[in-house]
Amino acid sequence: AQKVTQAQTEISVVEKEDVTLDCVYETRDTTYYLFWYKQPPSGELVFLIRRNSFDEQNEISGRYSWNFQKSTSSFNFTITASQVVDSAVYFCALNRDDKIIFGKGTRLHILP
Amino acid sequence: NAGVTQTPKFQVLKTGQSMTLQCAQDMNHEYMSWYRQDPGMGLRLIHYSVGAGITDQGEVPNGYNVSRSTTEDFPLRLLSAAPSQTSVYFCASRPGQANEQFFGPGTRLTVL
Repeated sequence: AQKVTQAQTEISVVEKEDVTLDCVYETRDTTYYLFWYKQPPSGELVFLIRRNSFDEQNEISGRYSWNFQKSTSSFNFTITASQVVDSAVYFCALNRDDKIIFGKGTRLHILP
Repeated sequence: NAGVTQTPKFQVLKTGQSMTLQCAQDMNHEYMSWYRQDPGMGLRLIHYSVGAGITDQGEVPNGYNVSRSTTEDFPLRLLSAAPSQTSVYFCASRPGQANEQFFGPGTRLTVL
């Protein structure tokens, strides 16, 4: 069965600190896609990144970076020099066939 | 381009009432999905569709029906509302199996 685990329910850090959100997934497929979404306090769901199972290169976008490791079935998300605007719930998701399954999310508080 | 639209934004029902949550997209996406979001549970897949005339069950389909008569519309029906269906409902669409999803703004449903 496919599964996405975000073990960190809630994290609080002080502004400008770096923070890593963990995502561990389970799948028997060799071809799959992983995603991260952000849900700010306003409630909308914002797409951040998609990664396919054949591309293990790390990706950086500004202060955001993602580390994909097939050997440990992990797709972790790091925010460098966090800002108050990064406060949100972050979801990791896994695509298999026609479905996209989400983890339970990590609520991130950035304290000023 | 309105993207994914959902109506209503808020709804209060009494136990046993029926209603339909509307979802429409104007991006000609084949794939559409319905999720519910409950505190601590993340986003759980209710039903999904891979094209007009094709629907399938997700993780939590009980108590909900869907149909997909056109590419644009994917309504979610609650035949006999129960308090356990109090939740925030999100509709999403994507062009194909490997793509990221675009989400609507959500419908907050309360069942008394």
